[in-house]
Amino acid sequence: QPVLTQSSSASASLGSSVKLTCTLSSGHSSYIIAWHQQQPGKAPRYLMKLEGSGSYNKGSGVPDRFSASTSGADRYLTIYNLQFEDEADYYCETWDSDTHVFGGGTKLTVL
Amino acid sequence: EVQLVESGGGLVQPGRSLRLSCAASGFTFDDYAMHWVRQAPGRGLEWVSGISWNSGSIGYADSVKGRFTISRDNAKNSLYLQMNSLRAEDTALYYCAKAKSYGSGCFDYWGQGTLVTVSS
Repeated sequence: QPVLTQSSSASASLGSSVKLTCTLSSGHSSYIIAWHQQQPGKAPRYLMKLEGSGSYNKGSGVPDRFSASTSGADRYLTIYNLQFEDEADYYCETWDSDTHVFGGGTKLTVL
Repeated sequence: EVQLVESGGGLVQPGRSLRLSCAASGFTFDDYAMHWVRQAPGRGLEWVSGISWNSGSIGYADSVKGRFTISRDNAKNSLYLQMNSLRAEDTALYYCAKAKSYGSGCFDYWGQGTLVTVSS
């Protein structure tokens, strides 16, 4: 079963960009993942699905400021022109057959 | 517009049972797998259980296996989670989530959640 590792926190200034990382465990570097955003006090929201090739598919209404990329077992979420509303927890998710797993989440602070 | 509305949460004593429901609308329910995901207070997301479009494939997290049962009624556009032998560590906000496909695949829509508190 895959394991997803995320940094617990990140911070960046308003208007700047930030790159969040989700690392797949050994033997699972080709897995597809998804990124979800959870703003304070709200339900999670699907952002995008990211394949091992680096190709990604965004959810409805996700701003162009959000993009994704891949390098080996690492899956990235990059947010450009940070806004205060981007301050949230970001989770990566993957699955193997009938089992799903989430990373521990990264708390993003916009300074 | 896709809508997922959970219900059935509440305060329950350890060892007792509770049944959660999720009413779905805005999409063809029986074309997609569905899942339950929970979040304990101040903690991250934890996948609980998932069921394929035709109930032919079902999975559970080890933490709930043997105690929880997922089911769906495609005629009623509804998803259920029967939770038995509840423990304090099952206290969490339970979300219903729609998968992007009929079988395996990530979640693309989430409900607002229903709170389950297990305490004496």
